Amino acid sequence: QQPVQSPQAVILREGEDAVINCSSSKALYSVHWYRQKHGEAPVFLMILLKGGEQKGHDKISASFNEKKQQSSLYLTASQLSYSGTYFCGTEVRYGGGSNYKLTFGKGTLLTVNP
Amino acid sequence: EAQVTQNPRYLITVTGKKLTVTCSQNMNHEYMSWYRQDPGLGLRQIYYSMNVEVTDKGDVPEGYKVSRKEKRNFPLILESPSPNQTSLYFCASSIQGSNYGYTFGSGTRLTVV
Repeated sequence: QQPVQSPQAVILREGEDAVINCSSSKALYSVHWYRQKHGEAPVFLMILLKGGEQKGHDKISASFNEKKQQSSLYLTASQLSYSGTYFCGTEVRYGGGSNYKLTFGKGTLLTVNP
Repeated sequence: EAQVTQNPRYLITVTGKKLTVTCSQNMNHEYMSWYRQDPGLGLRQIYYSMNVEVTDKGDVPEGYKVSRKEKRNFPLILESPSPNQTSLYFCASSIQGSNYGYTFGSGTRLTVV
């Protein structure tokens, strides 16, 4: 079952902020965030673990609310290079934790204009 | 350079003609997975492998087969392709049980006519 991402699309002007949300109905071990530029492969941004801290690098950060099984990606002072489709991936573990499965959402198209 | 290599990048084939998409990684990753990407549906998992000779179905396995005879290779086999398997396919790998992200291949755009 795919996690639900919102919004589906967002248009920003350079310098504006954005928040992308991801929610799951399953108990999660971790949440991944990826960015995909048009015609390219998804690229890993960051991972948030159950019990872990909020992560971030540069002006992109994320949080993970374990109780609600929700994660949010924060893009601050957006740059043109931030344009692309953002995917969250929710990871569940089973088989005593030795097996795991990563399921992606449908993506959020972010467009940053000058 | 650490990478996941998929071949071919583009493939047009006819219905029913068996094909294989290869995937190879040079990072000694235990975990490998195949996804298909369709407009509006995101990335959906086809099959994954925890290690050599260990594979399991993802969310959309119908019409696909995989094998994992060597750690570095994880080919995707379409025994009898149909037009509804026209899609963009990605192979990905990661360190098993790790807290690292996945590394994706460049993708294979498959068209079945």
